[in-house]
Amino acid sequence: GESVGLHLPTLSVQEGDNSIINCAYSNSASDYFIWYKQESGKGPQFIIDIRSNMDKRQGQRVTVLLNKTVKHLSLQIAATQPGDSAVYFCAEEGSGAGSYQLTFGKGTKLSVIP
Amino acid sequence: ETGVTQSPTHLIKTRGQQVTLRCSSQSGHNTVSWYQQALGQGPQFIFQYYREEENGRGNFPPRFSGLQFPNYSSELNVNALELDDSALYLCASSLGEGADTQYFGPGTRLTVL
Repeated sequence: GESVGLHLPTLSVQEGDNSIINCAYSNSASDYFIWYKQESGKGPQFIIDIRSNMDKRQGQRVTVLLNKTVKHLSLQIAATQPGDSAVYFCAEEGSGAGSYQLTFGKGTKLSVIP
Repeated sequence: ETGVTQSPTHLIKTRGQQVTLRCSSQSGHNTVSWYQQALGQGPQFIFQYYREEENGRGNFPPRFSGLQFPNYSSELNVNALELDDSALYLCASSLGEGADTQYFGPGTRLTVL
């Protein structure tokens, strides 16, 4: 079946450095992608999204890049802080039988070294 | 904070029992989706409710059922609990107008013994 997956399960970065988290997707028909951050014991928190008619979108300290040619999504976090430590999920929202359901990858754990 | 609330926070049940989990959606949202998240995994789609009707279902058996009420709050019911049902259950609300951002609640941690 089609799925969303992540290249790296864990990532350790030094505080102040930039972080890049990658994600591959296989459903070429998907047109909406979302990055979520999940801290221990909490629900996923929306970070940033992008639609398929864009290839880059910027937020506060975060940038999402979409490469439709190779079906690749990335999340860049500038000046990573200890509070950025969490598991990051990419998700694609696809239409199945009338509903818009999210398909998540397994997640990447980001650890920030002070 | 997303404005999505869930209750209870934690729940312990024994195999064979039934459980009801509750979710209040963000103000103005008419769509609620439920997800199951096993430890160390990404959330898995259970089903979605739009304006009180089931609007899509993932690969979960019929013993997983739900309701959405006129105020758009929702319940997830699980009958005949199995050990593998132990997970974090998440609800997410959205505007329901096509592909739209889903905002998650804090989840209910269910443990089945």
